Amino acid sequence: GQNIDQPTEMTATEGAIVQINCTYQTSGFNGLFWYQQHAGEAPTFLSYNVLDGLEEKGRFSSFLSRSKGYSYLLLKELQMKDSASYLCAVRTLFSGGYNKLIFGAGTRLAVHP
Amino acid sequence: AAGVIQSPRHLIKEKRETATLKCYPIPRHDTVYWYQQGPGQDPQFLISFYEKMQSDKGSIPDRFSAQQFSDYHSELNMSSLELGDSALYFCASGGYNEQFFGPGTRLTVL
Repeated sequence: GQNIDQPTEMTATEGAIVQINCTYQTSGFNGLFWYQQHAGEAPTFLSYNVLDGLEEKGRFSSFLSRSKGYSYLLLKELQMKDSASYLCAVRTLFSGGYNKLIFGAGTRLAVHP
Repeated sequence: AAGVIQSPRHLIKEKRETATLKCYPIPRHDTVYWYQQGPGQDPQFLISFYEKMQSDKGSIPDRFSAQQFSDYHSELNMSSLELGDSALYFCASGGYNEQFFGPGTRLTVL
């Protein structure tokens, strides 16, 4: 079966660093995406990892270890506007060669002054 | 930069009515995805199209159907609407290493 786990909620202080973990158990792994979603809005694409290692994009970095079925999203220099849900999504490859995203339940991050 | 366009943004229907949601993907993106997101839930994959052919099907009810047209826009058709169909419906488009979501259509079934 397919299973993606993330912490439900996290809190952090403005200016700090926070790491949001994601573990997954899926068949046909074909990449992992991180999205930010504010309530009632569309998910915003943050990062994509398919190979092991760290991808850095400004204040956001994402890490992947395929052997461990593990990823994390690192947010630096937190700002109040970073308060949102962060969704980990795994792309699975199906026999037809096409693929879909399976989302975790998301981690609600609250940034405090 | 162009984004994914969805219409309408809000839709209110009665039970047993029919609804059609439209999606215009980012130009040159070869894949379109439809997702349903209920209140407090994560997005659930419904169906996808690759180069106008249905490429994968998720937890889409038989009352729903979708297609992608020659101009690459896609429509999600929902019939015999039920109260439980009330949700945000997102369309996303992308290539291999990216997937961008549209603003969503909020469907309310009364």
